[in-house]
Amino acid sequence: QVQLVQSGAEVKKPGSSVKVSCKASGGTFSSYTISWVRQAPGQGLEWMGRIIPILGIANYAQKFQGRVTITADKSTSTAYMELSSLRSEDTAVYYCASPEGTPDSFDIWGQGTMVTVSS
Amino acid sequence: EIVLTQSPATLSLSPGERATLSCRASQSVSSYLAWYQQKPGQAPRLLIYDASNRATGIPARFSGSGSGTDFTLTISSLEPEDFAVYYCQQRSNLITFGPGTKVDIK
Repeated sequence: QVQLVQSGAEVKKPGSSVKVSCKASGGTFSSYTISWVRQAPGQGLEWMGRIIPILGIANYAQKFQGRVTITADKSTSTAYMELSSLRSEDTAVYYCASPEGTPDSFDIWGQGTMVTVSS
Repeated sequence: EIVLTQSPATLSLSPGERATLSCRASQSVSSYLAWYQQKPGQAPRLLIYDASNRATGIPARFSGSGSGTDFTLTISSLEPEDFAVYYCQQRSNLITFGPGTKVDIK
């Protein structure tokens, strides 16, 4: 059973960047995709993008194009999501998620990382 | 981008009642639709994938139906632990989530 463990909470200034990690264990890292989903306080789920570690190919939601970069390090089974030009509206819990079976149906989730953007 | 709309926004029901949640897509997503349950402070949990397939460990009271643009999640008889927010998600063209339906206790 794959498990995803994320890095800890972050507090950032507007205009800066944040990089959140997601370490996978218990499976073959390169064989599945890792997506990033965020949730602002009291709001719904928002998909940001995904990476296929075995190919190193990432896809992004149009809303985040140019501002988010998703990468993966196969040697450490870790995926990363970096969001730049942070603003207060980026305050949210950021989750990594992965399908164990059906592609892009997420049955495995990280514990979430709270990112607070505040001056 | 495919937009998902969920209705109602809130559903107030009593334990034992039947819950019917709707999800509509702005264009056909074939059967590439999933449903999730989320409780406060927790990550979402996959309930249904590809419109009608229950995920591992999901009770039989949860069922999904539909194809194309119109989908339904049915909870046949609400248990106390089912009061939560439910999201639909499509994977036909990249990935988008619906805004959610909150099922609360009447």
